[in-house]
Amino acid sequence: ETGVTQSPTHLIKTRGQQVTLRCSSQSGHNTVSWYQQALGQGPQFIFQYYREEENGRGNFPPRFSGLQFPNYSSELNVNALELDDSALYLCASSDSGYTEAFFGQGTRLTVV
Amino acid sequence: GQQVMQIPQYQHVQEGEDFTTYCNSSTTLSNIQWYKQRPGGHPVFLIQLVKSGEVKKQKRLTFQFGEAKKNSSLHITATQTTDVGTYFCAGLDAGGTSYGKLTFGQGTILTVHP
Repeated sequence: ETGVTQSPTHLIKTRGQQVTLRCSSQSGHNTVSWYQQALGQGPQFIFQYYREEENGRGNFPPRFSGLQFPNYSSELNVNALELDDSALYLCASSDSGYTEAFFGQGTRLTVV
Repeated sequence: GQQVMQIPQYQHVQEGEDFTTYCNSSTTLSNIQWYKQRPGGHPVFLIQLVKSGEVKKQKRLTFQFGEAKKNSSLHITATQTTDVGTYFCAGLDAGGTSYGKLTFGQGTILTVHP
């Protein structure tokens, strides 16, 4: 296993609500990336954090936001949830943005 | 924006047959990574290719990176039931980005019949 842990593993929310997902990166890794994986699709890049700063963003609206803490753990926040936000949310840590990414087991979010 | 296309979408093989999945990027890549995701699991890193024309082997798996650094392939010799899963390629764009945004292909789902 990778040492990247995500919580919770499963979550059901109602449309319009807000959600916070958490990720603890692997020891020694200062870079955390978040991905959304819809059923049957490849992971889609949401954003990346490097040393507590957002370091790049994919094509996701501003209601997707994040934080990285001094211990390099991270949060993904999604406001005003929509049905299409239902997906597996993956956190990946690395020791830079250019090396192999170690993925957590993901959080399965269902929006009803 | 950068797009990564992967074919085939599905591949069903008999155990012992070979398997190949192909990956093409719309832009030149700085490197390409391959991941395997078992059903219900998360992507697990297999390998990273960096150099033009690079070929790497891991036991029965052979990975290639094209000369133009826009395409790649994964070949599995003599598949086993443990090879079942979805294989993703993921490219890092060589052009102008200052961070490591991985763009994933849509994956190839491999099923192996014993």
